[in-house]
Amino acid sequence: GAVVSQHPSWVICKSGTSVKIECRSLDFQATTMFWYRQFPKQSLMLMATSNEGSKATYEQGVEKDKFLINHASLTLSTLTVTSAHPEDSSFYICSAQQGFNEQFFGPGTRLTVL
Amino acid sequence: DAKTTQPPSMDCAEGRAANLPCNHSTISGNEYVYWYRQIHSQGPQYIIHGLKNNETNEMASLIITEDRKSSTLILPHATLRDTAVYYCIVRVVVNDMRFGAGTRLTVKP
Repeated sequence: GAVVSQHPSWVICKSGTSVKIECRSLDFQATTMFWYRQFPKQSLMLMATSNEGSKATYEQGVEKDKFLINHASLTLSTLTVTSAHPEDSSFYICSAQQGFNEQFFGPGTRLTVL
Repeated sequence: DAKTTQPPSMDCAEGRAANLPCNHSTISGNEYVYWYRQIHSQGPQYIIHGLKNNETNEMASLIITEDRKSSTLILPHATLRDTAVYYCIVRVVVNDMRFGAGTRLTVKP
């Protein structure tokens, strides 16, 4: 299947700082990318959907000014967690979809905010 | 997208077939059935999907009932590496993927 990478795989930061997570589709062009968050022992929760060149669509309850999403090219989307706090500590996972095909998921990024 | 119901957990003996059920009684005509799995601390892995007909690939088989209100994912010869949370998702192909609680499958030696 298609390959989606994320960088970094894990990050530890201090409270109040911002963290950027990259999501890349390595062997296909992703017209749509999705960002999920997963807390321990819970399922994945969709945060936002982004189409290349357009503003992201955020799920209810997800602050768009806190979780900045940029999808500037067909192979790269970034999620920036601004002014991170300990409650933002989570497993962040992206997925990418080309047209109407199935979604492929990245390996995830574990964020720990101290 | 229609809601799905899966048992929270299942056990399977190594080498035996694992049959994971999923109920999706409110599925509509243009919704596909997708299966993904998530091994601990990794991103979900695509397994298989189908609309009406049964499907098979190198990983698994998907059996969809004639009324499409339920389906079964079959791992023909489960191994210890198949221990994971398995998610059954029903969606219109252009929509986002929304995850339920899934089934935690434990393959035992």
